[in-house]
Parts: sequence; C-alpha cells; structure tokens
Amino acid sequence: EAGVVQSPRYKIIEKKQPVAFWCNPISGHNTLYWYLQNLGQGPELLIRYENEEAVDDSQLPKDRFSAERLKGVDSTLKIQPAELGDSAVYLCASSRTGRETQYFGPGTRLLVL
Amino acid sequence: DQQVKQNSPSLSVQEGRISILNCDYTNSMFDYFLWYKKYPAEGPTFLISISSIKDKNEDGRFTVFLNKSAKHLSLHIVPSQPGDSAVYFCAASDMSSYDKVIFGPGTSLSVIP
Repeated sequence: EAGVVQSPRYKIIEKKQPVAFWCNPISGHNTLYWYLQNLGQGPELLIRYENEEAVDDSQLPKDRFSAERLKGVDSTLKIQPAELGDSAVYLCASSRTGRETQYFGPGTRLLVL
Repeated sequence: DQQVKQNSPSLSVQEGRISILNCDYTNSMFDYFLWYKKYPAEGPTFLISISSIKDKNEDGRFTVFLNKSAKHLSLHIVPSQPGDSAVYFCAASDMSSYDKVIFGPGTSLSVIP
C-alpha cells in the first residue's frame, strides 16, 4: 500500500511570493490533515478534512493560507503571500476516519527568504 | 498554553539498556494517548497508543504507562537499539474536541552502540 505522498519535498521562495503544497493521501482514507511543524516543536494542526468538507480550520491563518480538497482525495495548501515566519515543515496526514491512526507524509520543507 | 509537555528535549541511552521517555498533559479531558516516532527527513510514524481506561499497553519492546491521577505517561523501550534513535512525540486527543490530536514538542533519543 502506497503511503501519503507530498510534493514538493523542498521549496525556497522569497517573501511575498505565493507557494503551494500538494498531498495525495492513502487510498480509502477519508480524513486528511495539514500540519505545521516548526523547528523543535511537534506538529500543529492547520486544517482537517472529512472527505471534501473542512471540519476544523480554526488554526488556519485565513488571511494568507487557503486549502482545498477536491473530490475528497488530493489536497492543496496555499500560502499567499508568504512571510519569513512561514518557514517550517508542512506535513500532510491521512486516516480512514477521524479516530483512527494518522499516517504522515514526508513533509514539505519551506524556506522563505 | 502547551497542553502536552515533554520536558526532556534529548536523551542518550546505551544500547541494550532501557529508554524511558516522559510526557505530561494538562487537559483532563484527554482520553486517548499516542506515541509517534520520527526519523530525519521523514514524517512521524505511529508507534503505540493507550486508552484512558487502561494503565499499560505493551507491543514488543515498547510499553506505554498511563498515570491519570498524575496526568503523566511514559514510553519504555527495552532493550534499546541504535535503530531506535529518533525523535519521539507524545500526543493526546479527546472526543469532545472531535478527536483533535495535540502533539508535544518531542524528545530526541540517541541510542549509543
């Protein structure tokens, strides 16, 4: 069974530029998560989807961050415009349902210059 | 306010000895606890979990102990192996928050051959 796929693995951009991250969850997993991980910290939830519905986006900075999960499968997380403080690892995870084990992708490491 | 705390950023243990990783939580509503393991440049992977109705769960070399009155859990690895060297995240969730998982900051374990 293929794991959670994320791309790109690394991204370097200048501040004020837009950036997008893509995630393909494990087949059959209805729940998809986007997490932010700062250096020396644990993952922090940005948004959670149940199929195509965002059921928890309370921690998503909506002035610059947006996300979508079309057709309840792949998901895209976008930042526009990026700020220096957005430099971090962005992790995508999926699970069969909300209460089951989450499987993480390798993450996208973003550096904003 | 950090709801899940791992007060030891790092830990070094000799191969073959026991590794004990500690975790404290503040939210008495948490009813499910997990440990994730993370290697560099990879996403976290699920290791072991425990429900609040239990005080111990064992899986091979890994045992998690839960002390609800102290709001404390620990992960024991016996015997420790060099391949166990990784960052370990303690995490917790509660049904009232729709199973949102809160991660601790992690403890970096080094097992010395």
